[in-house]
Amino acid sequence: GNSVTQMEGPVTLSEEAFLTINCTYTATGYPSLFWYVQYPGEGLQLLLKATKADDKGSNKGFEATYRKETTSFHLEKGSVQVSDSAVYFCALAYSSYKLIFGSGTRLLVRP
Amino acid sequence: NAGVMQNPRHLVRRRGQEARLRCSPMKGHSHVYWYRQLPEEGLKFMVYLQKENIIDESGMPKERFSAEFPKEGPSILRIQQVVRGDSAAYFCASRNDREGEAFFGQGTRLTVV
Repeated sequence: GNSVTQMEGPVTLSEEAFLTINCTYTATGYPSLFWYVQYPGEGLQLLLKATKADDKGSNKGFEATYRKETTSFHLEKGSVQVSDSAVYFCALAYSSYKLIFGSGTRLLVRP
Repeated sequence: NAGVMQNPRHLVRRRGQEARLRCSPMKGHSHVYWYRQLPEEGLKFMVYLQKENIIDESGMPKERFSAEFPKEGPSILRIQQVVRGDSAAYFCASRNDREGEAFFGQGTRLTVV
């Protein structure tokens, strides 16, 4: 079946550090891939997406590249800020139907 | 264009009571999803509805849970005879036919005491 696996958190970084949150997926065919962010007490917000192999999604300094050969969609940011502290969810979907989420990775950025 | 609106934001019910969660999708969106999030876990798909139709309810418990999305009005997730294990955050998402991107509401946090 289809599934998403994320690295376990929490990930604790100092401000301006480099961030990588690993995400791998199992799926048949060619799903779309997403990263969502959830701030405390809030719903999920779409951070970025990629719809086909080798696509790079980017937003607010975050990037992720759809790697079909390694079935991965790792999230990266060159310099994190305290305001980036949140829970990050990797997800996949076929035709944007029925998003399947990873378990989430909590990021804590310290000043 | 208002986002996806869920209410109430917080709901407390005693065991055995009914919980009704409401979701008003974004204007023009005819597809609604419900997800459940247990503490420190990811979101689990429950049900996918289009106007007046349940398309996929494979994530819904077979008993006590039901969902609807009438022609007029919000989508409703109903939980009958709630138990402590139903305590969770319930999120609604909507999308339109063309964009495909799902937008999430802020969730309803249900606490069963």
